[in-house]
Amino acid sequence: NAGVTQTPKFRVLKTGQSMTLLCAQDMNHEYMYWYRQDPGMGLRLIHYSVGEGTTAKGEVPDGYNVSRLKKQNFLLGLESAAPSQTSVYFCASRTRPQETQYFGPGTRLLVL
Amino acid sequence: GQQLNQSPQSMFIQEGEDVSMNCTSSSIFNTWLWYKQDPGEGPVLLIALYKAGELTSNGRLTAQFGITRKDSFLNISASIPSDVGIYFCAGQAGATNKLIFGTGTLLAVQP
Repeated sequence: NAGVTQTPKFRVLKTGQSMTLLCAQDMNHEYMYWYRQDPGMGLRLIHYSVGEGTTAKGEVPDGYNVSRLKKQNFLLGLESAAPSQTSVYFCASRTRPQETQYFGPGTRLLVL
Repeated sequence: GQQLNQSPQSMFIQEGEDVSMNCTSSSIFNTWLWYKQDPGEGPVLLIALYKAGELTSNGRLTAQFGITRKDSFLNISASIPSDVGIYFCAGQAGATNKLIFGTGTLLAVQP
């Protein structure tokens, strides 16, 4: 049972490039979340999903897209990366809203 | 976006001292959570609070859900070096199932 895993761990992009971050969980959780964490700030919700095939916007969705084609995977896409998207990205999952969110180890993204 | 006010921003203490940090919000929450984040890792849940007035302990950690449902505090007793990290509070309201995080408290413990 690996819990929540994220790939890649670290990535450097040039402005305008695109990439996809992968989050995978093996706990059969319905709910999955993508957050970004910036210095001096808490985690801010980008997008989330309440089940396979569904997605919804969080607090800071602009510049990102997501997909949940399979229950265990939640993908975060950057179509045209900007320096403002330099951040640490965390994925989380849980069974129900009342339950604990389990976080992945994070993906560190640098956009030059 | 909405964020919780968490204080203090940072603390530098001696091993063995007690620590207290708190979070306040302008909104009512149904759930308060406290997380710890170690360098290079994701947040890990320490304590979850589900009822106003609830006081819950986890080892040397004690947290309380404020009676107004707009605040919470976390106490760490007899701190040790491995307590070093960033502590986040998070609140959840109703059926939105979204967590709102505080800005974090950086704790440094000198042996």
